[in-house]
Amino acid sequence: GEDVEQSLFLSVREGDSSVINCTYTDSSSTYLYWYKQEPGAGLQLLTYIFSNMDMKQDQRLTVLLNKKDKHLSLRIADTQTGDSAIYFCAALLLDTGRRALTFGSGTRLQVQP
Amino acid sequence: DTAVSQTPKYLVTQMGNDKSIKCEQNLGHDTMYWYKQDSKKFLKIMFSYNNKELIINETVPNRFSPKSPDKAHLNLHINSLELGDSAVYFCASSQVLGTEAFFGQGTRLTVV
Repeated sequence: GEDVEQSLFLSVREGDSSVINCTYTDSSSTYLYWYKQEPGAGLQLLTYIFSNMDMKQDQRLTVLLNKKDKHLSLRIADTQTGDSAIYFCAALLLDTGRRALTFGSGTRLQVQP
Repeated sequence: DTAVSQTPKYLVTQMGNDKSIKCEQNLGHDTMYWYKQDSKKFLKIMFSYNNKELIINETVPNRFSPKSPDKAHLNLHINSLELGDSAVYFCASSQVLGTEAFFGQGTRLTVV
């Protein structure tokens, strides 16, 4: 499979929490990131977590990292229609030899009013 | 005061042509990148450029060549354009190779 995997689509109602999941293959990743892409726009860095952390909270965003399972999640509390976008997780996968971030396929979040 | 800027935003050209996309960053970063995003939104690294060291993704055809006149610029030249080159190309930069990257707005290339 891909080095960084995400589910492709998530639909939630406005006001609910959204949880976007990501798995990665590299056991030596040091930084993991979440980016947001709105239609026709570039990628905006939302948040990141160091591999020695389990959780990071930043306003409505909570990032959880399970290093053992190589699983990363992004929780958006009180999801708003403005949160509708594609969300990418990204990691520096040292095992691959690539010296740039590797991105997941992106999860399209649709927020229903 | 855009941090990473690319020009043009849209580029439509015929097969076989040669074209360039320009990228500039004013963040003082040491590393710049080019990514390709296909129609399914997959993002793939094409090049990383750091301190005059070029790291090429092996899957990138040699028709693509990055050129860096200075640390703040990394332009992408494409020769003999093919239909399959149609995509959105993103320039990005980071302070340290492989860490958080800041992206430009993208250049949508359409080859007809």
